[in-house]
Amino acid sequence: GAGVSQSPRYKVAKRGQDVALRCDPISGHVSLFWYQQALGQGPEFLTYFQNEAQLDKSGLPSDRFFAERPEGSVSTLKIQRTQQEDSAVYLCASSLASLSETQYFGPGTRLLVL
Amino acid sequence: GENVEQHPSTLSVQEGDSAVIKCTYSDSASNYFPWYKQELGKRPQLIIDIRSNVGEKKDQRIAVTLNKTAKHFSLHITETQPEDSAVYFCAASMVRANYQLIWGAGTKLIIKP
Repeated sequence: GAGVSQSPRYKVAKRGQDVALRCDPISGHVSLFWYQQALGQGPEFLTYFQNEAQLDKSGLPSDRFFAERPEGSVSTLKIQRTQQEDSAVYLCASSLASLSETQYFGPGTRLLVL
Repeated sequence: GENVEQHPSTLSVQEGDSAVIKCTYSDSASNYFPWYKQELGKRPQLIIDIRSNVGEKKDQRIAVTLNKTAKHFSLHITETQPEDSAVYFCAASMVRANYQLIWGAGTKLIIKP
């Protein structure tokens, strides 16, 4: 079946611009994670949803970052007033159940803030 | 908070030889340890994982070992092939953190022909 998809795949934003990144998890997957991966580094946790509930947002770096999953399926990560340090690949992952370990990743959105 | 250290950062081996990547974790409550392979510009792909109630797991040329006492786990790749060239990440997670992954910094594996 279809895997996790993300859009756009690439985004170039001017500093100060707002951006919205979309994640379509595998159908039926309860858990959804967002990670940020800087160049040459491992991903870092941003936030976690169980269905539509955002249970953990401890990894969001600032109040400019906001995520939602209103119907428990598609999720959007929004970054307001982008800064150059926001440049990274944003990865979305989903897993089948709320306590299921295996996460399946999307291809990521590469964000470049100029 | 949880921390995962991964070594080496770069590993170059001759095709056909074995490769070993090691990780240590800080939180003894961690109970799930996946390994991901990431090729340039692509998504991380799970290659093998191990749970804390198991000491070793093998899948063809890939094996993972876990030492809970020492809080470290290792990835072993035997008979390496050119297509094994990629960046490998270890990670640790725990049920009380909803299995959010804490990642190592990655190892760039280079297979020399």
